[in-house]
Amino acid sequence: KAGVTQTPRYLIKTRGQQVTLSCSPISGHRSVSWYQQTPGQGLQFLFEYFSETQRNKGNFPGRFSGRQFSNSRSEMNVSTLELGDSALYLCASSFGLVSDTQYFGPGTRLTVL
Amino acid sequence: GENVEQHPSTLSVQEGDSAVIKCTYSDSASNYFPWYKQELGKGPQLIIDIRSNVGEKKDQRIAVTLNKTAKHFSLHITETQPEDSAVYFCAADSQGGSEKLVFGKGTKLTVNP
Repeated sequence: KAGVTQTPRYLIKTRGQQVTLSCSPISGHRSVSWYQQTPGQGLQFLFEYFSETQRNKGNFPGRFSGRQFSNSRSEMNVSTLELGDSALYLCASSFGLVSDTQYFGPGTRLTVL
Repeated sequence: GENVEQHPSTLSVQEGDSAVIKCTYSDSASNYFPWYKQELGKGPQLIIDIRSNVGEKKDQRIAVTLNKTAKHFSLHITETQPEDSAVYFCAADSQGGSEKLVFGKGTKLTVNP
């Protein structure tokens, strides 16, 4: 069974631009969660989608948004990029039950110049 | 919300020795505790997890123990090998908060040949 895939793997943007990242979950998984990983803050939860609905949201500004499609694929968008948004963005999928095992993708490395 | 503390931040052992990483959590309602291994340039990989109705779980050279009364859990790696070198993260689910998983800051394990 194929794992979680994320595209693109690397991105370079400039301040003020916006960016869209994509995640395809493991086949059969209906929940997709997004995390931001930085050296200073570690792994921080952004949001979770289940059946096209946002189920949980972490403590991030409204510039960070996401959505999920009927095939469970998910996208996250960051508008008006800031230097501090440079990070590894990780997507994780699970069946969707509470406290289900999450499987992570390889991440998208975003650099904001 | 949940808070997870992880110690030590770095750990260096000789090949064949054991390694122990400890985590504490704050939310007594948490009941799912996974451990992830992250190698350079890759996403976190689940190596073992434990749920609150179990005190200990073992998988070959890896074991996890959970003490719900003291709110701490530990990862034990025996007979360490150079390929065990990586960053290890503990996490806890957040029953009372909005986050899916709350992660510790990570432990960089180095196994010297």
